[in-house]
Amino acid sequence: DVKVTQSSRYLVKRTGEKVFLECVQDMDHENMFWYRQDPGLGLRLIYFSYDVKMKEKGDIPEGYSVSREKKERFSLILESASTNQTSMYLCASSFGLGGQVVSTDTQYFGPGTRLTVL
Amino acid sequence: KQEVTQIPAALSVPEGENLVLNCSFTDSAIYNLQWFRQDPGKGLTSLLLIQSSQREQTSGRLNASLDKSSGRSTLYIAASQPGDSATYLCAVRPATGTASKLTFGTGTRLQVTL
Repeated sequence: DVKVTQSSRYLVKRTGEKVFLECVQDMDHENMFWYRQDPGLGLRLIYFSYDVKMKEKGDIPEGYSVSREKKERFSLILESASTNQTSMYLCASSFGLGGQVVSTDTQYFGPGTRLTVL
Repeated sequence: KQEVTQIPAALSVPEGENLVLNCSFTDSAIYNLQWFRQDPGKGLTSLLLIQSSQREQTSGRLNASLDKSSGRSTLYIAASQPGDSATYLCAVRPATGTASKLTFGTGTRLQVTL
């Protein structure tokens, strides 16, 4: 079974702090994703990566950055946390071929990190 | 820009009832459509994936259909059980573009009562 783990289930930070959210997958997947989920807005893609050191902006990248130094690990960084970044953050991974479309591709999600910024 | 809508936002049914969840999308140029389940405070679990060339997929008591030309999908749950209580989300993948970018609906929160 694919396993996607996230470093924390719950996190409380203060405004202005630098925040790191870590995600690790154990299936040698090329693609990894960071989403945030908010009531009434659904899941929105922040960033995704289709290879080590490769990244692309999603729909709402402002205020975030990412790092992928190793294939199995994808980090989301909040450079200076703000209260409007309070949310549930979900990481996902999927099989891919250097960004090419794969017909049976499905995304596997981690359990989520609920971040509260005070 | 693709928009995905799910109706109803919430649904409560008695155990044993058959039910249908709806998903509509504005751009029919999709590669596939997926249905996910999310339990409270947890991540998403993939239930069914339908390719754009397919009309339906089945897994146990679940059946998902796709009408790409009209921009609609339905998830049919037969003989509902309390354990089916969760939020169900649909997501579409565009026919062009890199990787696996998905656009999600906001979900239908299902409660199955005893």
